[in-house]
Amino acid sequence: ETGVTQTPRHLVMGMTNKKSLKCEQHLGHNAMYWYKQSAKKPLELMFVYNFKEQTENNSVPSRFSPECPNSSHLFLHLHTLQPEDSALYLCASSQEEPPWGSSYNEQFFGPGTRLTVL
Amino acid sequence: DAKTTQPPSMDCAEGRAANLPCNHSTISGNEYVYWYRQIHSQGPQYIIHGLKNNETNEMASLIITEDRKSSTLILPHATLRDTAVYYCIVSYGNKLVFGAGTILRVKS
Repeated sequence: ETGVTQTPRHLVMGMTNKKSLKCEQHLGHNAMYWYKQSAKKPLELMFVYNFKEQTENNSVPSRFSPECPNSSHLFLHLHTLQPEDSALYLCASSQEEPPWGSSYNEQFFGPGTRLTVL
Repeated sequence: DAKTTQPPSMDCAEGRAANLPCNHSTISGNEYVYWYRQIHSQGPQYIIHGLKNNETNEMASLIITEDRKSSTLILPHATLRDTAVYYCIVSYGNKLVFGAGTILRVKS
């Protein structure tokens, strides 16, 4: 595998389900990101992890819970979602230097997980 | 909110240069200008970024005005595969704020 991979590519879940999205980067990067892209809305940054530490939570509801066990893997745990949470969820990674969040390096995006909440 | 303004759509003939404008009149001194593009149903792809000087790479050129309040992305020889949404982003550091972007349609 190369680049940034995301699984599953498509997910349909009910509002009472619990599911997880997985992202893996094979680039040796130390920063990872979750973005949300809803229909007809711009990409929204959700979470930023710099060297496994969460450094940004962009006012995301608690029904979205990120986890970064190491610098190569990022999860987004989902529970009691609403239909309006249906969207394309994109993961990205980059190589950053401290102070965290101050560098200007290219972000590499995965293909996304298309989530539908019924 | 995004700090950039872009036209919603543009057309370009195949083989011609595509010039995509972006206004960012409230840009701060330490903020960079980034360009990404998103081809349908794929994740965004980095194109280029710059602070003050014009930049060129294998994909495109970035022209930033002297006052830094606007910029232009130039794809020198557009192909059908360049049809995508192009995002101009102004950001300090790695927290990118995307706007609506410009839909570029390259036509044969």
